[in-house]
Amino acid sequence: GAVVSQHPSWVICKSGTSVKIECRSLDFQATTMFWYRQFPKQSLMLMATSNEGSKATYEQGVEKDKFLINHASLTLSTLTVTSAHPEDSSFYICSARVGVHYGYTFGSGTRLTVV
Amino acid sequence: TQLLEQSPQFLSIQEGENLTVYCNSSSVFSSLQWYRQEPGEGPVLLVTVVTGGEVKKLKRLTFQFGDARKDSSLHITAAQPGDTGLYLCAPQYSGAGSYQLTFGKGTKLSVIP
Repeated sequence: GAVVSQHPSWVICKSGTSVKIECRSLDFQATTMFWYRQFPKQSLMLMATSNEGSKATYEQGVEKDKFLINHASLTLSTLTVTSAHPEDSSFYICSARVGVHYGYTFGSGTRLTVV
Repeated sequence: TQLLEQSPQFLSIQEGENLTVYCNSSSVFSSLQWYRQEPGEGPVLLVTVVTGGEVKKLKRLTFQFGDARKDSSLHITAAQPGDTGLYLCAPQYSGAGSYQLTFGKGTKLSVIP
């Protein structure tokens, strides 16, 4: 089946630094990928839609200058959390739509801790 | 604005009991998906329902799509500890751009042995 590989699985960084998270579609091409953030005991909140070869579309309230998204190829989307702060600590998950039955496959997530 | 409600938010039951999780909206879904997520992992697709009134079964899980396509339910029979997880409904609405997938608040299920 379609697999989305996400890494790193977890990362700890200092306040003020930037962290890049990668999401790759391994056996299919993903023109569109989605980035979510999930706080403890909460559901997934859509942050942005990543479009190959064009600018990402951000959800209301998500700072585009803070969460930089790049989708330079059909198999790779990256999310860079710039100037990270402790409140950015969260579980970040990417996904891609697969096939005609509207199924979505998800990466395994990245646990970001900013200290 | 589409309002989506998923209930209950938390559910703790004994092994062998039955349970039902509900997902309701103020708008008509073009389709709806149910996912299960375990801690520290991404959600895994359980089922997609598309037709009003549709019922799908996946072993002990029964998924129903309301006739009006504004609601869906997930029923688990004889719950097992392995069913523990966060269950998420994710509807799609007609006209949504880029096939965005948004989620309900989720139901955190704990099945106690």
